Amino acid sequence: AQSVAQPEDQVNVAEGNPLTVKCTYSVSGNPYLFWYVQYPNRGLQFLLKYITGDNLVKGSYGFEAEFNKSQTSFHLKKPSALVSDSALYFCAVSRYNTDKLIFGTGTRLQVFP
Amino acid sequence: DAGVTQSPTHLIKTRGQQVTLRCSPKSGHDTVSWYQQALGQGPQFIFQYYEEEERQRGNFPDRFSGHQFPNYSSELNVNALLLGDSALYLCASSPGQGQGAYNEQFFGPGTRLTVL
Repeated sequence: AQSVAQPEDQVNVAEGNPLTVKCTYSVSGNPYLFWYVQYPNRGLQFLLKYITGDNLVKGSYGFEAEFNKSQTSFHLKKPSALVSDSALYFCAVSRYNTDKLIFGTGTRLQVFP
Repeated sequence: DAGVTQSPTHLIKTRGQQVTLRCSPKSGHDTVSWYQQALGQGPQFIFQYYEEEERQRGNFPDRFSGHQFPNYSSELNVNALLLGDSALYLCASSPGQGQGAYNEQFFGPGTRLTVL
């Protein structure tokens, strides 16, 4: 069965510093991997996806993620954090196009001025 | 271009009642998925509709049912509400099969259901 683990409930980082939000996954076959962000009282907003190809994926708002097949990880990164990046971040996996998404439990990112 | 829309925004029901939530997909999308997000949790897949049929279903009881209309909009129905059904219900849309490269799911703002 597919699963996603986000080992950190919360990540704190100072504005201007690099940030990393961790995600590991388990799926049979090749994974389709996603990051979504959720602001208070809002739905999920798509940030980026990995389907195939280059292991480094660039997405919205300066975020990027690195796919590591051997470590079954898909960590979200940003070189310089902004206070406005503070939100709840979800990693998700699926097995094929149109498949259901399996989400992690989420990581709350807090960026301090 | 309107994104995914959901109604109502908030809903309060009592145990045992029935509720219907509605979703209109993003323009050009024909596949609708529903997710339940309990407080402090990640979204959990309920089911997915394509061509007016349920294509996939998650681990939810039969009290949860749905429907998709010819215009691709969808409804989620929950019968015999329990306190544990209190959650944010998210609708997501995507292009269906035969649409080429993988397309991410676009989410609506959700309906906050409170069961008292």
